[in-house]
Amino acid sequence: GAGVSQSPRYKVTKRGQDVALRCDPISGHVSLYWYRQALGQGPEFLTYFNYEAQQDKSGLPNDRFSAERPEGSISTLTIQRTEQRDSAMYRCASSPGLAGGLDTQYFGPGTRLTVL
Amino acid sequence: AQSVTQPDIHITVSEGASLELRCNYSYGATPYLFWYVQSPGQGLQLLLKYFSGDTLVQGIKGFEAEFKRSQSSFNLRKPSVHWSDAAEYFCAVVMYSGGGADGLTFGKGTHLIIQP
Repeated sequence: GAGVSQSPRYKVTKRGQDVALRCDPISGHVSLYWYRQALGQGPEFLTYFNYEAQQDKSGLPNDRFSAERPEGSISTLTIQRTEQRDSAMYRCASSPGLAGGLDTQYFGPGTRLTVL
Repeated sequence: AQSVTQPDIHITVSEGASLELRCNYSYGATPYLFWYVQSPGQGLQLLLKYFSGDTLVQGIKGFEAEFKRSQSSFNLRKPSVHWSDAAEYFCAVVMYSGGGADGLTFGKGTHLIIQP
């Protein structure tokens, strides 16, 4: 079956613009996670959802970052007024259960964001 | 807070030789530990995980890992590497907040290079 998909795969934007990154999880997966991965680093947890409810957003760097999952399926990570330091790979993962990080997470290919 | 250290940024191994990738964690209680592999242009794929029980865990692609509480380590091993094992390897531990298990805290990764 289809895995986790993310779009766009690459996004180049100018500083100050807003961007929206989309994640389409594996069908039936109830939990969805967002991570950010800087070059040469491991993924850094941002936030996650059980169904449509955001469980923990303490990893979001500041209030320019927000995420939603209104119908418990597709999720959007939005970055307002982008800055060059936001340049990174943004990864989405989904898992089938409600065990939080204890469930196996299935990762998408990521969106490479470049802020000029 | 939980943390993961992967001491080796790069490791070069000859094809057919054995492999050991190091991972040390910091967490007061019993950790839940994972190894993921990331191939170029791909998402992260779970190799294996440790929750409890037998401290030697078998994973996919011929990998295994051993949990050693006394050394706070969870090293990944493979008896004979193949050229297709060249990739980035990440060790991770489950994060906990007041609400329970959240996402994963990843190490910075080890880049594995296979020599012919």
